[in-house]
Amino acid sequence: KAGVTQTPRYLIKTRGQQVTLSCSPISGHRSVSWYQQTPGQGLQFLFEYFSETQRNKGNFPGRFSGRQFSNSRSEMNVSTLELGDSALYLCASSISGGLYEQYFGPGTRLTVT
Amino acid sequence: DQQVKQNSPSLSVQEGRISILNCDYTNSMFDYFLWYKKYPAEGPTFLISISSIKDKNEDGRFTVFLNKSAKHLSLHIVPSQPGDSAVYFCAASGDGNKLVFGAGTILRVKS
Repeated sequence: KAGVTQTPRYLIKTRGQQVTLSCSPISGHRSVSWYQQTPGQGLQFLFEYFSETQRNKGNFPGRFSGRQFSNSRSEMNVSTLELGDSALYLCASSISGGLYEQYFGPGTRLTVT
Repeated sequence: DQQVKQNSPSLSVQEGRISILNCDYTNSMFDYFLWYKKYPAEGPTFLISISSIKDKNEDGRFTVFLNKSAKHLSLHIVPSQPGDSAVYFCAASGDGNKLVFGAGTILRVKS
């Protein structure tokens, strides 16, 4: 069974630009969660989508948004990029959102210059 | 406000000895705790979890202890192996959906 895939793996953007990251969950998984990992901060929860609806949201500004498609693939968008947005963005999928069933992708490393 | 804290950024242990990774939390509503392991260039992988109704959970070489009164949990790895070298994240949840992670501890097991 294929794991969670994220594209692209690496990305360099300039301040003020916007970026879209993609996550393809494990087949059959309907929940996708997004996390931001920065040094010293660990993983911070961005949001969770289940059946195309945002079910949970973390404490991030409105510049961070996401969506989920009918095939459960999810995208995350960050607009008006800031230097502090440089991080590893991880997505995790699970069948129904159960915490111990989350499988993480390898992440997208975003660098904002 | 970090609700889950891993105060040791790194830990170095000799192969065969015990590794003890610590985690403190501040939110008394947390009722489920997990440990994840992360290798470079890979996403975190689930290791072991514990519910707040228990104080210990064991899985092979890995044991998690929970002290609710102290709001403290620890992960014991016995015996430690070089392949255990990774970043370990402690995570907690109080609503069954959202995980709050600590900053991680880098474990190095020396052979």
